[in-house]
Amino acid sequence: DIQMTQSPSSLSASVGDRVTITCRASQSIGNYLNWYRRKPGEAPKLLISGASTLQSGVPSRFSGSGSGTEFALTISSLQPEDFATYFCQQGYSTPTFGQGTKVEIK
Amino acid sequence: QVQLQGSGPGRVRPSETLSLTCTASDDSFSNFYWGWIRQPPGKGLEWIGHMYNVRSANYNPSLKSRVSISVDTSKNQFSLKLTSVTAADTAVYYCARWVPARKNFDSWDQGSLVTVSS
Repeated sequence: DIQMTQSPSSLSASVGDRVTITCRASQSIGNYLNWYRRKPGEAPKLLISGASTLQSGVPSRFSGSGSGTEFALTISSLQPEDFATYFCQQGYSTPTFGQGTKVEIK
Repeated sequence: QVQLQGSGPGRVRPSETLSLTCTASDDSFSNFYWGWIRQPPGKGLEWIGHMYNVRSANYNPSLKSRVSISVDTSKNQFSLKLTSVTAADTAVYYCARWVPARKNFDSWDQGSLVTVSS
């Protein structure tokens, strides 16, 4: 299995802050990297696919970058609805996920 | 995207079979792949498997001997069965739609906690 190492596991930030979450793959996965957001009590939501393609309806403050083994999800200006857990998933081989990053209010 | 609703018992006894069902609000149900993911308490997400039809099922090798996924296109439903469960199978179970062209899950349900205990 391809291991996905996500960091940090949690972070505290304020509304308006710029936040970056990283995901590292144990081997090259090209751009087969997806990002999701999960709010308590809600279904996880696909934000970004193919490392950098924003899904329809996802605000432009979200962006994804990277290829190979290093990837990042950036929220340019954190909004109240963004306090949630984010996780990455590789699709290069049988799907595996990062451990998740919980974004909390400072 | 599609709306998904999972259902099933919240508790299963050790050594018994865990059974969950997911209903999709999508008239083109038969054109997609459907799968299951779980997250044990305090651990990361684990892919269980996904399938399009019986000839195109893929399962996590670590669970393959105990898991089966089936699809009922007449009801827009798909189901998970996990046999011989132990406490290690306690988890939140998610059903989701797998998009093979993009290698992602574009729709999920809210998840169902299943506890294995006597």
